[in-house]
Amino acid sequence: GAVVSQHPSRVICKSGTSVKIECRSLDFQATTMFWYRQFPKQSLMLMATSNEGSKATYEQGVEKDKFLINHASLTLSTLTVTSAHPEDSSFYICSASQTILGGYTFGSGTRLTVV
Amino acid sequence: ELKVEQNPLFLSMQEGKNYTIYCNYSTTSDRLYWYRQDPGKSLESLFVLLSNGAVKQEGRLMASLDTKARLSTLHITAAVHDLSATYFCAVDRNYGGSQGNLIFGKGTKLSVKP
Repeated sequence: GAVVSQHPSRVICKSGTSVKIECRSLDFQATTMFWYRQFPKQSLMLMATSNEGSKATYEQGVEKDKFLINHASLTLSTLTVTSAHPEDSSFYICSASQTILGGYTFGSGTRLTVV
Repeated sequence: ELKVEQNPLFLSMQEGKNYTIYCNYSTTSDRLYWYRQDPGKSLESLFVLLSNGAVKQEGRLMASLDTKARLSTLHITAAVHDLSATYFCAVDRNYGGSQGNLIFGKGTKLSVKP
């Protein structure tokens, strides 16, 4: 079945540094990927839609310059959290839509802790 | 703006009992999804409901969709402890077109006790 691989699963970084999270579709091509953020005991909030070969579409309130998204190929999207601060600590999850099976496949998530 | 409301948000059940989780959404959509999330884990897809009247069952879980009422239900039959998790419904924001993106309900934290 469709698999989305997300790395790293956990990362701890110092305040002010940048962290890159990768999301790969392993056995299908994903022209569109989505990035979500989930705070503890809360639901998933869509941050942005990543389109291969074009600029990402960000949701209202999400800072484009802080959360850089690159979707350079049909199988890879990356989210870079720049100049991370403790309030950016969260669980980040990517997903990809798959036209054959329908629905969405989610990555395993990345728990980011900024200290 | 599409809003998705789930209830209850917390559900404590005894093993062997039945219960239903409800998911209402505010604008027309033709795609609704149910996911399960275990603590510290990502989402596991349970059901994809694509048409009015759709009913799908997997084990002790059954999901249905009424697009006219903008309501989906997730019914739990004879609950067992392994079903303890948080369940999310999500609605595709891009009605009638290509897959858009998902708006999630707040989730229902289910705890099944012996």
